[in-house]
Amino acid sequence: GQQLNQSPQSMFIQEGEDVSMNCTSSSIFNTWLWYKQEPGEGPVLLIALYKAGELTSNGRLTAQFGITRKDSFLNISASIPSDVGIYFCAGRRDNAGNMLTFGGGTRLMVKP
Amino acid sequence: DVKVTQSSRYLVKRTGEKVFLECVQDMDHENMFWYRQDPGLGLRLIYFSYDVKMKEKGDIPEGYSVSREKKERFSLILESASTNQTSMYLCASVLAGLTDTQYFGPGTRLTVL
Repeated sequence: GQQLNQSPQSMFIQEGEDVSMNCTSSSIFNTWLWYKQEPGEGPVLLIALYKAGELTSNGRLTAQFGITRKDSFLNISASIPSDVGIYFCAGRRDNAGNMLTFGGGTRLMVKP
Repeated sequence: DVKVTQSSRYLVKRTGEKVFLECVQDMDHENMFWYRQDPGLGLRLIYFSYDVKMKEKGDIPEGYSVSREKKERFSLILESASTNQTSMYLCASVLAGLTDTQYFGPGTRLTVL
């Protein structure tokens, strides 16, 4: 099955810095989702995007649904140590029910 | 509070053994999923089930089977474990329909020697 291309694979940043990661696909998705997985836990949904061009925030997190419906971006502002984890993008097509396609993940490490 | 539990956090098995991974959810969800997670590859769908006794293959079903005899329980079976099945296995559940919040269990890290 198709995977989403997520980049970067990993980031090591200083506390207080802003973070950007993105996800691209060769085909269209109708919904874009961003999950975070903390060490030893399963992924948890952060943000869901349903409309092309949509920009949605959740605290210091902002995500965008690309206008072509083939990409999405996640930004984290003023990073803190508890932002550490693996961030996954996921896409869903309307004809796929609840089935999601996941990106490879971005491992974020924050230096205090 | 929503809860998905997996029978083991860590499991070590030998090549050729039959392995059972159990997942239980307490939210009365119709849909349940089994993924494997490998570094750089993200989550890949092995099997999913949209109702009791119903199952569908995902992207990488080879070497795996599943069982859903009760709504709350979804089991992943490795008939004859191999070293390339060493991985993190994640179970998830979600309400039927266009609900995007898949609730994940904490994962089982399986090592096959």
